[in-house]
Order: sequence, then structure tokens, then C-alpha cells
Amino acid sequence: QVQLQESGPGLVKPSETLSLTCTVSGGSISSYYWSWIRQPPGKGLEWIGYIYYSGSTNYNPSLKSRVTISVDTSKNQFSLKLSSVTAADTAVYYCARGVTGTAPYYYYYYMDVWGKGTTVTVSS
Amino acid sequence: QSVLTQPPSASGTPGQRVTISCSGSSSNIGSNYVYWYQQLPGTAPKLLIYRNNQRPSGVPDRFSGSKSGTSASLAISGLRSEDEADYYCAAWDDSLSGLYVFGTGTKVTVL
Repeated sequence: QVQLQESGPGLVKPSETLSLTCTVSGGSISSYYWSWIRQPPGKGLEWIGYIYYSGSTNYNPSLKSRVTISVDTSKNQFSLKLSSVTAADTAVYYCARGVTGTAPYYYYYYMDVWGKGTTVTVSS
Repeated sequence: QSVLTQPPSASGTPGQRVTISCSGSSSNIGSNYVYWYQQLPGTAPKLLIYRNNQRPSGVPDRFSGSKSGTSASLAISGLRSEDEADYYCAAWDDSLSGLYVFGTGTKVTVL
């Protein structure tokens, strides 16, 4: 059974870069789209973006200028970097496995396995 | 940020049927599948419904999804105390280069 685990600093200073890693266990990172989602305290979910194991990416336009998602297939890990953070980036960050395809009418994409999440606070 | 609109809350007594709506537009729900996620207090979201009305293995058939035009709904029949959670709809949005959008979320309370 595939499991995902986020890791990284829980506290980041304003203007610095937030860096998180998601380790995939119980399955290969090859195939599937690997995603990042965040949830500010007391608020809803926001999709950050995804990466395919081959390296192709798609980012939320609202974050695109600050986001980089990368993958390391040798370690079965993928990572998130968010630059120039502010207090508005304080959130629980989740990594998730994305399933995609086209059938029978539309393109489909959804997250079927999620990590437990890690809290990142932006504060000096 | 949310382009999918849900009612902030819904409630029912055990055994009742509760329905949650999700309103979008032609660029998301109107031209793509709808998904539903359940988030129990203090936990990560869990996929509840995919491709409008499909249930992943292990999800009780008390949960059902439907879509019509630019709106969708999630129905919970035979409401149980363990259903008390936040529920989010989601869909791919074809605007710009494409992005995945979530609904505003609905808190379901079991009275």
C-alpha cells in the first residue's frame, strides 16, 4: 500500500524559500502525477501543482512565479520549493498521488493517496 | 481563490439524508469531472467520489455523487456520527494553462 510522508522545516522566515520533500513508500514513483496541496489555518484547500515522474510540471497560475516542484526517482521522492514566502504562505502542506487519464468524455485528474501533512509557519 | 461554491454548513440527525451542492462554471464542472474529498477533523483529505459518481474501494455506498451542467452534488444517506467532517468538491479548470480547483468546503454536523 502506497504511503506518502512530508518532511521539512516547520518554521521559515519571511522572504526566504520554503522547502519540503515527500517520500513515497510501498510503491514506485514512476507513473502517476505527484502533487502538492496546502491548507491555511481554518481555511480551504489550494492546489499548488504537480510533477510527472518524467519531470513535466503544471503549477497553479497564482503561485507559478514562486513554485518549483522536482522529482528524484532514485530516492522515490519529490520536492516543493516556494520562494519569497510571506505570512500568507503559512499552512499545512500535503503531498499526494495524482491519477490522470482521459475517459470516456473528459480528461480526469484527482488525488487518491495523501500524506498526513506538515505544518509550515512563516514568521521571523 | 476558490471558484467552486459550496454552502458553508449542512446538518442532519443520524439516519437522515444530507445533500451538499457545488456550483462552478463552464470551464470547470461544465467541461470536466467532479471529485469529492472528505476531511475528518485534524486529518488529511480523503478521496470520496471520483469522476462524478464513482466510489473508491472502501467508501460506503451511503455516499453518492452527481453532476448536472455546471453544478454537482454529494448526497450522504443514512447519516452517521462518523460522517461529521468537512467536504470539498473539486474539478479540473481549463482556464489559462489548466489548474485543479477546490470548492469552498462544507462542514457537515451530525446533530
